Amino acid sequence: SQWGEENLQALSIQEGEDVTMNCSYKTYTTVVQWYRQKSGKGPAQLILIRSNEREKRSGRLRATLDTSSQSSSLSITGTLATDTAVYFCATPDTNAYKVIFGKGTHLHVLP
Amino acid sequence: DMKVTQMPRYLIKRMGENVLLECGQDMSHETMYWYRQDPGLGLQLIYISYDVDSNSEGDIPKGYRVSRKKREHFSLILDSAKTNQTSVYFCASSPGTGVVERLFFGHGTKLSVL
Repeated sequence: SQWGEENLQALSIQEGEDVTMNCSYKTYTTVVQWYRQKSGKGPAQLILIRSNEREKRSGRLRATLDTSSQSSSLSITGTLATDTAVYFCATPDTNAYKVIFGKGTHLHVLP
Repeated sequence: DMKVTQMPRYLIKRMGENVLLECGQDMSHETMYWYRQDPGLGLQLIYISYDVDSNSEGDIPKGYRVSRKKREHFSLILDSAKTNQTSVYFCASSPGTGVVERLFFGHGTKLSVL
C-alpha cells in the first residue's frame, strides 16, 4: 500500500475546535490531494498540494506537504458540524492515471 | 454543469443475476474510473478507461467488466453477481492527460447482492 496505517482513524471533536489530520506515504509523489466524503455522497476534492509547495490554504483549510518525511497534513480551523465527514488523502500512482486513496479519517464534529 | 451521474442509486439483486451500473459525465473528460468502497478498505480501483474502447484493469478487476462506447458514458457489468460484490460503487472522471490532479465523483450506487 502507498499509505501508512495511521491514515485510518476516527476523531470526535466539539464544534469550534481546530483539527489536524495526517497522512504518510511510502513512495515519492509530486502531488497530494485531499478529498472529503460526506455521508451518502461521493468524495469531493478539497485541496491539492504539490511537492514544490510546503503549505497551501483554502478558506478554513490548510494543507502541508513534507517530502523529506513523506507526509502530508490537512488542518481545519474553527470546525463546524457540517465538517463531519471522512477525509481522504490521495496521490497519483506510478501509472499516473491511477489515483491511490488512503483509508481515510472519520471526523465527527459535535454541535 | 460539471457533473458525474450514476444510475441507479440503489440496487438489490440476487446472487447469479447480471448487474449493470451506469455512469455519465458532462465534462468531456477522457478518463473515467470505477471504484468500490467497503468499510475499512477505503476506495479500491476496479477499472480505468482512458477513452472510448480503451480500458485497463485496476487493482480488483476480477468478477467485473466494463464498456465505454461513448466518451461520456462508462458502464460496469457484473456477470452472475456474487454476495461479496455487495458494496458501494463510485464512478469518477478526470480531464486526465498526464498526472491526474483531480477526480470528479458521482454519488455512488449501493448494490446489495442477496
